[in-house]
Amino acid sequence: DADVTQTPRNRITKTGKRIMLECSQTKGHDRMYWYRQDPGLGLRLIYYSFDVKDINKGEISDGYSVSRQAQAKFSLSLESAIPNQTALYFCATSVARNQPQHFGDGTRLSIL
Amino acid sequence: EDQVTQSPEALRLQEGESSSLNCSYTVSGLRGLFWYRQDPGKGPEFLFTLYSAGEEKEKERLKATLTKKESFLHITAPKPEDSATYLCAVQTGNTGKLIFGQGTTLQVKP
Repeated sequence: DADVTQTPRNRITKTGKRIMLECSQTKGHDRMYWYRQDPGLGLRLIYYSFDVKDINKGEISDGYSVSRQAQAKFSLSLESAIPNQTALYFCATSVARNQPQHFGDGTRLSIL
Repeated sequence: EDQVTQSPEALRLQEGESSSLNCSYTVSGLRGLFWYRQDPGKGPEFLFTLYSAGEEKEKERLKATLTKKESFLHITAPKPEDSATYLCAVQTGNTGKLIFGQGTTLQVKP
């Protein structure tokens, strides 16, 4: 089983819908991150969390919200989806600040 | 502004033809530089971390090096299974946030 699991793997939805992407991990890491990947723009940080009570905005947090339900679970929500939020979304975890981040296999989200 | 630039955007090699990928960065206080490999439909897979200028890391046909302004990922005698997108990311400050380059897509033909 994967250490970092993202669900769903693919999602197609309509403008204005509320969407939740989920991430769970079995690595026991405290730090969790949400990124989006767009062609030509690389990976950009949306939100990050260092523990259950800690939530921080990344560089592109507008239009998104997150919830850290437990050490192992970190969810990303789009309250009212718009087409320019069509992208690949990745969750990542790390054990400490200077240590590598480990990624899930992503959610491909299409908003029509 | 912290910035990471990778070159070239795409690289085609024949099997066995060695080459290098470049990652240049301008950041205020480098905490670490990370190389990842990404296959289609997959998340980035960690390869190397480099922390200080002069440091080198090796794994099979890959070798990563670091200077004060750039990092190189050297690929020696590549095989078709080395075909992937290679991502470089830098970490600055105390938060652990990564700043990624756009990636280099490598294709190795048999």
